Amino acid sequence: TQLLEQSPQFLSIQEGENLTVYCNSSSVFSSLQWYRQEPGEGPVLLVTVVTGGEVKKLKRLTFQFGDARKDSSLHITAAQPGDTGLYLCAGRPNTGNQFYFGTGTSLTVIP
Amino acid sequence: NAGVMQNPRHLVRRRGQEARLRCSPMKGHSHVYWYRQLPEEGLKFMVYLQKENIIDESGMPKERFSAEFPKEGPSILRIQQVVRGDSAAYFCASSPGVSSGSGVQFFGPGTRLTVL
Repeated sequence: TQLLEQSPQFLSIQEGENLTVYCNSSSVFSSLQWYRQEPGEGPVLLVTVVTGGEVKKLKRLTFQFGDARKDSSLHITAAQPGDTGLYLCAGRPNTGNQFYFGTGTSLTVIP
Repeated sequence: NAGVMQNPRHLVRRRGQEARLRCSPMKGHSHVYWYRQLPEEGLKFMVYLQKENIIDESGMPKERFSAEFPKEGPSILRIQQVVRGDSAAYFCASSPGVSSGSGVQFFGPGTRLTVL
């Protein structure tokens, strides 16, 4: 059972374009993280959101946590080749110890 | 990734051998998670440990896999009698604890296990 579904699974865009990646679930999470992973490396934490409706900005990246804390989005403005990588969302439910990872979105930004 | 160490980075084993993967958490972190990742997929939770304690092993296969986090030394994920299907990247993440803030994790660089 996949608790968190990400879309799209693959995305290839030109440098300078904008994009949005979605992370959806039917479950409620106490917190949700976004990570970026490059080939051969471990995931690197980008942001943690904990409050429903919360919006966080990290330079050209904007993260939003849904009001009901079931979903999240990552918007990248003016994508650059350095943004290329696998983007993963991960949620921690209100109970239990696990972090559940999404299916991942593989982004390629073409110069 | 800073601070979480995993070794070896690459491990090759023949079918039937044992694989031992090590993880040293960030300084001050007493919680360790192990995950498995297949190519182009997300991470699958395996086990969550505190020092000398297995808290949640619901993601671990019932046979051949075990994990420990002793009082001293790194956390170890052990796979006995490896099979080709065990080939994957294994990541460890450390956390100061889920009770502290959002329980955020920091990942190591991973160990890539190849079973011949």
